[in-house]
Amino acid sequence: GAVVSQHPSWVICKSGTSVKIECRSLDFQATTMFWYRQFPKQSLMLMATSNEGSKATYEQGVEKDKFLINHASLTLSTLTVTSAHPEDSSFYICSAPAGGVYNEQFFGPGTRLTVL
Amino acid sequence: RKEVEQDPGPFNVPEGATVAFNCTYSNSASQSFFWYRQDCRKEPKLLMSVYSSGNEDGRFTAQLNRASQYISLLIRDSKLSDSATYLCVVGLNDYKLSFGAGTTVTVRA
Repeated sequence: GAVVSQHPSWVICKSGTSVKIECRSLDFQATTMFWYRQFPKQSLMLMATSNEGSKATYEQGVEKDKFLINHASLTLSTLTVTSAHPEDSSFYICSAPAGGVYNEQFFGPGTRLTVL
Repeated sequence: RKEVEQDPGPFNVPEGATVAFNCTYSNSASQSFFWYRQDCRKEPKLLMSVYSSGNEDGRFTAQLNRASQYISLLIRDSKLSDSATYLCVVGLNDYKLSFGAGTTVTVRA
């Protein structure tokens, strides 16, 4: 089946640095991808919808200048956490629609970000 | 009110037992329904889609009640490998998904 990859799988950084997370669809094209964030013992929260060739759509409460999204091609979306702080430490997961099956999505393996 | 609410559990059951739990959703316009399974520190994996008529996949049975806006999952003959967090997921018509916080199931030997 289709696979979505993420890189890196985990990252530890100092407060104030920026971190880029890549999400790739490996054997299919994805004009739309989604970025989620999950804090411990909480549900996945949709952060933004990444659209190939146009600006991302952010959910209410998500700062677009802090979480920069670039959907550069039909197989790659990147999320950059700018000036990361400890409260940004979380599990970031991307997904892409499966296409034929309504609303079914393929999830990437996630990126665990720890900001010291 | 949360869009999708689940009993967090945990449900602690012996091997071979049957365990069932529900979730409720608030948006009556929701069009697609899923159960996902999430293991600790991993991404969610689709367990099954949920259809209006109810559906079964091996030991797993899902039911949807649109009138009452709830979804259920029943696991028969529980295995140790069924230990996980089960996420109730609801979708609208624009591919956006709303996730419940998950129900934790622990199957003990």
